[in-house]
Amino acid sequence: QSALTQPASVSGSPGQSITIPCTGSSGDIGGYNYVSWYQQQSGKAPQLLIFDLNKRPSGVSDRFSGSKSDNTASLTISGLQAADEATYYCSSYTNTRTFVLFGGGTKVTVL
Amino acid sequence: EVQLVQSGAESKKPGESLKISCQGSGYNFAANWIAWVRQMPGKGLEWMGVIYPGDSNIKYNPSFQGQVTFSADRAISTAYLQWRSLKASDSAMYYCARQPFYGDPYSDSWGQGTLVTVSS
Repeated sequence: QSALTQPASVSGSPGQSITIPCTGSSGDIGGYNYVSWYQQQSGKAPQLLIFDLNKRPSGVSDRFSGSKSDNTASLTISGLQAADEATYYCSSYTNTRTFVLFGGGTKVTVL
Repeated sequence: EVQLVQSGAESKKPGESLKISCQGSGYNFAANWIAWVRQMPGKGLEWMGVIYPGDSNIKYNPSFQGQVTFSADRAISTAYLQWRSLKASDSAMYYCARQPFYGDPYSDSWGQGTLVTVSS
């Protein structure tokens, strides 16, 4: 099954807000709120940023927020900081035997 | 503190077997699913499947079924990922991650990764 669709890159200036879209289908993002987002710094393991569409684990900054419209989930990073440079992956439950899909990843650059 | 510690990098030849490990601490290892995630060089994340150490219930992503084997030893809080006959295309970073709920498949804690290199 195809991965979820994310743009390859997004950039912004310090202090700005950016939004990363993640497009799926009615069998995954559109049908369920089991969407999560991960941040992967270069050479490191992924870290959970958002789960259940818009919940943040303890310790994750409230500058990170999640939302959904139809079959597209979005991660918004507000007050962009240099430390936010990383690759961001969306993930969703899917009602197929694959069970979990990831997006291809979006590299965020802080200008 | 929840921690997952994976075994070290491996360098193998095609056709060889391999078993890598992931040891959990700081939580009830037997009562949480462990997911395995592959990341090929320069590529994105792929969910391989999960194992429940409490009863070794396993769910494989069909793309990986028959290619790898999951197992777990709850007595030593360790999960394993095994290959019977490696191929060059198995070269990747492999992560284990805690997945608290089977039906809500987010992973809230990740191991540091095990790099597997398969080359003749």
